[in-house]
Amino acid sequence: EVQLVESGGGLVQPGGSLRLSCAASGFSFSSYAIHWVRQAPGKGLEYVSAISSNGGSTYYANSVKGRFTISRDNSKNTLYLQMGSLRAEDMAVYYCARENSSSSDAFDIWGQGTMVTVSS
Amino acid sequence: DIQMTQSPSSLSASVGDRVTITCRTSQSISTYLNWYQQKPGKAPKLLIYAASSLQSGVPSRFSGSGSGTDFTLTISSLQPEDFATYYCQQSYSNAYTFGQGTKLEIK
Repeated sequence: EVQLVESGGGLVQPGGSLRLSCAASGFSFSSYAIHWVRQAPGKGLEYVSAISSNGGSTYYANSVKGRFTISRDNSKNTLYLQMGSLRAEDMAVYYCARENSSSSDAFDIWGQGTMVTVSS
Repeated sequence: DIQMTQSPSSLSASVGDRVTITCRTSQSISTYLNWYQQKPGKAPKLLIYAASSLQSGVPSRFSGSGSGTDFTLTISSLQPEDFATYYCQQSYSNAYTFGQGTKLEIK
């Protein structure tokens, strides 16, 4: 089965750090760009970050630039999001999603999400 | 970044109704426009990509149209399982921004 499974969410204090993981299975992970998208409680979808298939290119939304780092380990079929200097506004469900170039770069596979709570 | 404007933000309709949701972008994106459906507590699901191509497994009552800056998602005959929130997304340029969502509720 083609799937993405996020982990690593939890409760963190403002200013703290957290690393999210996204484990892929059922497809050739190293052939796809992968993205992070988040959703604050009761709000819409917000684009966060992206990484190319070989990890050579990355992109960050202005809201997280300089605080978050996206990376991947293609030998482990795993994507990461290292989050630092966390703020209350970073509290959200974080989803990883696969970009499919055969579908106009749409996100055809999503993980189930992992919740990040920022609170003292 | 490309700005996305969806309308309406919410919509009440009945089973069997035909509904249309609109998405407008701040600059031309050709047909790099995608639509997603999200139900409470679940991840988004891809419905339409490239403005009008139906994702595999999605019922044919869903259709999309448009190019440039104006796009629509149409559900031809609402079914009970279609009541959800719908998002448009551009995949023309980084960041792949989303519209604010349209919540489709039962009348």
